[in-house]
Amino acid sequence: EAQVTQNPRYLITVTGKKLTVTCSQNMNHEYMSWYRQDPGLGLRQIYYSMNVEVTDKGDVPEGYKVSRKEKRNFPLILESPSPNQTSLYFCASSPRGGYGYTFGSGTRLTVV
Amino acid sequence: AQSVTQPDIHITVSEGASLELRCNYSYGATPYLFWYVQSPGQGLQLLLKYFSGDTLVQGIKGFEAEFKRSQSSFNLRKPSVHWSDAAEYFCAVGANTGNQFYFGTGTSLTVIP
Repeated sequence: EAQVTQNPRYLITVTGKKLTVTCSQNMNHEYMSWYRQDPGLGLRQIYYSMNVEVTDKGDVPEGYKVSRKEKRNFPLILESPSPNQTSLYFCASSPRGGYGYTFGSGTRLTVV
Repeated sequence: AQSVTQPDIHITVSEGASLELRCNYSYGATPYLFWYVQSPGQGLQLLLKYFSGDTLVQGIKGFEAEFKRSQSSFNLRKPSVHWSDAAEYFCAVGANTGNQFYFGTGTSLTVIP
């Protein structure tokens, strides 16, 4: 089944404790992207990747890092999480950036 | 700058009634247009997309959307709403170049018996 898998689904952490949210896709898509979803703000892009070792900032990259060492994986790293990063996060992949994304099920992150 | 506007934050309809969700976009070239649905606690599912050709697009779950270039709109419609259609709906616009893909802020749909 074609899908985007992200883990964990739920995560509660404390301020400053580094964490990684994993994302993997099995569709051989070139593009991958991370979004955060907040009430009233819709979905905002954090980072995207156009291919292996090619990443770029989206609209809200501050406080986040990404890497794309393999085509299928695109982890999101929070080096020092803060409470304003409490949000619902989605990983997504696409054959091309503008063609529309396939989304993962989401990771609900709470930073206390 | 590219943008997507969904003017209705929340809509309530009766089960069996027709539905239209509005979407307006601002984009310099011919856009790719999408509608996604998000059920509570779930990810986003693609309902339909428009790239070119026939301006009336059929999607899953009985939804359709019409691209109107003159009005910069891509409104989503369904002739008869079911209780299971209650969800958040997002319009999005993309392009054939780069990473240009933008979401609206969403419309929340409530369906009453």
